[in-house]
Amino acid sequence: EAQVTQNPRYLITVTGKKLTVTCSQNMNHEYMSWYRQDPGLGLRQIYYSMNVEVTDKGDVPEGYKVSRKEKRNFPLILESPSPNQTSLYFCASGKGGGSTDTQYFGPGTRLTVL
Amino acid sequence: AQKVTQAQTEISVVEKEDVTLDCVYETRDTTYYLFWYKQPPSGELVFLIRRNSFDEQNEISGRYSWNFQKSTSSFNFTITASQVVDSAVYFCALSGVSGGYNKLIFGAGTRLAVHP
Repeated sequence: EAQVTQNPRYLITVTGKKLTVTCSQNMNHEYMSWYRQDPGLGLRQIYYSMNVEVTDKGDVPEGYKVSRKEKRNFPLILESPSPNQTSLYFCASGKGGGSTDTQYFGPGTRLTVL
Repeated sequence: AQKVTQAQTEISVVEKEDVTLDCVYETRDTTYYLFWYKQPPSGELVFLIRRNSFDEQNEISGRYSWNFQKSTSSFNFTITASQVVDSAVYFCALSGVSGGYNKLIFGAGTRLAVHP
């Protein structure tokens, strides 16, 4: 089944404790992206990747890092999480046309930083 | 700048009613893409439709239909004979060269509640 998976689905952590949210897709998509969803602010892009080893900042990259060493994986790293990073996070993937092609989203990761 | 406006924050209907969700977009691009996504109470984002700016044909998929009008910069979504399972938040989104074709610009979403 074609899908985007994220792990963990739910996470409660404390300020400053490094964490990684994994994202994996099995559709051989070149484009991958991370968004966060916050009440009143909607969905905003954090980082995106057009292909392996090619990543770039989105609208709200502060406090996040990403890597794209393999085509299928695009982990989101929070080196020192803070409470303002409490949010619902979505990973998405699409074919090689960037965001012009349909993006398929993972199930979301609900992160709480205390 | 690119922008997507979904003026209806919440809509409440009774089952079997037809309902239209409005989406108005702003862009200076001549080539752009429009999308609709559904976010049910379980939280995931489900793709519904993609439309490019050169294809103004309306589309129907079962009980769902979309009306794209470039003259009014609108891409409205109609659910015919709504069902309780249609209850969700619906997002309209835009991608264009102004954004580098690197991201989706989402509207704020419309929460649809369908009551039995």
